[in-house]
Amino acid sequence: EPEVTQTPSHQVTQMGQEVILRCVPISNHLYFYWYRQILGQKVEFLVSFYNNEISEKSEIFDDQFSVERPDGSNFTLKIRSTKLEDSAMYFCASRDYRDREEQFFGPGTRLTVL
Amino acid sequence: EDKVVQSPLSLVVHEGDTVTLNCSYEVTNFRSLLWYKQEKKAPTFLFMLTSSGIEKKSGRLSSILDKKELFSILNITATQTGDSAIYLCAVARNAGNNRKLIWGLGTSLAVNP
Repeated sequence: EPEVTQTPSHQVTQMGQEVILRCVPISNHLYFYWYRQILGQKVEFLVSFYNNEISEKSEIFDDQFSVERPDGSNFTLKIRSTKLEDSAMYFCASRDYRDREEQFFGPGTRLTVL
Repeated sequence: EDKVVQSPLSLVVHEGDTVTLNCSYEVTNFRSLLWYKQEKKAPTFLFMLTSSGIEKKSGRLSSILDKKELFSILNITATQTGDSAIYLCAVARNAGNNRKLIWGLGTSLAVNP
């Protein structure tokens, strides 16, 4: 069964460093999302991406964040200069076409900023 | 402000018990409500509900939506230890192609043998 994959599963970085979180969505899906979940808190929407552009972003998704779909299969989230409060589980999700709601989630990347 | 509220936050039951998890919402441009199960890592999809009063069922799990009272329930009958997880409720808004999900905090269910 096709699934969303994410790498790495866990990343530890120093404050101020750049990180790139990678996702490979399900291959025929058209809509892509990043969410994050700080330990013990709600899952929070970060950004949605469709047709090679951001369709919506939350107030969390400031200038330190960017997303790319560089090659038609990967979908990346870059954090330019990490802060302690960026420590969280980051989930990538994808959805196939306009009228289907279900988003399929990857296993997540646990980001720890020291 | 859009919000999704789940109750209870935490529940401990014995195997064989039946549980009812609640999700209420106040979301503009409601499109659908989704239930997910989160074990160790990623949420896995359970149900999507768009119409009031129509029960969705999968094995021992079932769910129903009330769009007038703005809530949904998720029932699990004859619970098993493998049902232990966090159950997340999320609402999709009708906003063009986007469909971002607005999440509740989840209900943590522990099923003891």
